[in-house]
Amino acid sequence: GIQVEQSPPDLILQEGANSTLRCNFSDSVNNLQWFHQNPWGQLINLFYIPSGTKQNGRLSATTVATERYSLLYISSSQTTDSGVYFCAVVGTGGFKTIFGAGTRLFVKA
Amino acid sequence: DSGVTQTPKHLITATGQRVTLRCSPRSGDLSVYWYQQSLDQGLQFLIQYYNGEERAKGNILERFSAQQFPDLHSELNLSSLELGDSALYFCASSIGPDTQYFGPGTRLTVL
Repeated sequence: GIQVEQSPPDLILQEGANSTLRCNFSDSVNNLQWFHQNPWGQLINLFYIPSGTKQNGRLSATTVATERYSLLYISSSQTTDSGVYFCAVVGTGGFKTIFGAGTRLFVKA
Repeated sequence: DSGVTQTPKHLITATGQRVTLRCSPRSGDLSVYWYQQSLDQGLQFLIQYYNGEERAKGNILERFSAQQFPDLHSELNLSSLELGDSALYFCASSIGPDTQYFGPGTRLTVL
């Protein structure tokens, strides 16, 4: 099945810093999403982005489907950005959603 | 608030028992997904229903079963529970094959 790898596994930032999270996937996808799991466990969808670029406030994402990777950019990080960021994909020809292991982010005040 | 509701929030039970987790999708969403999140396995896709029919099956044990009812709510049944079944169980819903909205989860503890 399709493999999803996220990097880095852990990230510590000073408030105000920028960061880039990466998601590599092993096969073609027709669905890619980024989620944030906050410290209380809630999963919040950030982007649905099987290809192209999207922006939402301080967050933006880019997926290069032909090269099988996606990037999530966080600018001017805030302590509320702390948590785990997951990439999830659905391969072409299937319906199973596969999650990466996540990037755990801690933003220091 | 995603609009997806799950009950109960917490569940504590003993090994060998059977429990039912319930999920109500967002209004208008036809797809329901179930996931298990444990410390050692991460987020694992269990099963997806679309408008009452099973669409995809993931790493769901034979002791587990699910269904989606005509009003589109879904139930996940877990039987012969083992200690290793302790986890956070999420339900998500979507209109089509795009953005999934997650419920708050049910934390299951098996003692």
